[in-house]
Amino acid sequence: DAKTTQPTSMDCAEGRAANLPCNHSTISGNEYVYWYRQIHSQGPQYIIHGLKNNETNEMASLIITEDRKSSTLILPHATLRDTAVYYCIPATLGRLYFGRGTQLTVWP
Amino acid sequence: GAVVSQHPSRVICKSGTSVKIECRSLDFQATTMFWYRQFPKQSLMLMATSNEGSKATYEQGVEKDKFLINHASLTLSTLTVTSAHPEDSSFYICSAAGTANQPQHFGDGTRLSIL
Repeated sequence: DAKTTQPTSMDCAEGRAANLPCNHSTISGNEYVYWYRQIHSQGPQYIIHGLKNNETNEMASLIITEDRKSSTLILPHATLRDTAVYYCIPATLGRLYFGRGTQLTVWP
Repeated sequence: GAVVSQHPSRVICKSGTSVKIECRSLDFQATTMFWYRQFPKQSLMLMATSNEGSKATYEQGVEKDKFLINHASLTLSTLTVTSAHPEDSSFYICSAAGTANQPQHFGDGTRLSIL
């Protein structure tokens, strides 16, 4: 399983874009990149995933570099409710091995 | 869509008791369900993977006789913590996926406290 490196914490002003980076330089060719977030004391929430193309949904955009060694999750207009721990997880066949993630704090 | 319900949300019981936690996919059929555990200030740790109608696959270091998993249908998996002790106190979370590479959707977790 690929190892990931994410910043321990990040801050973002409400209404601004939050760009969360993730390094996964050992990702294998068949591993998708999944992003989840966990708000304190709740189960994780699925955000988005991709293999090699950039993806966008109603929650976020996912930018994956051409060599697939890193990706960036973009929350286009952060709100206070986006404060959470964000996890970037390369995975295949469903098994998710969570790292420490990035604590994103959105401030007013 | 993709709602996963977990029950109970919290349980407190005496040492030596066995505790059953249910995980249901409410609006989709889950061929695969997963069980995780999370200790305070730590990340989620995958415990086991279960497929409907077959035995669960446990992660290294997780005792299969301690944590019994049953995945009897495409919408229900149960985790039984047998003869629970204080060190088993934790936040247990399940997830479900329609197929192996589809995103997992998580329940809200069960906070287990063993006295």
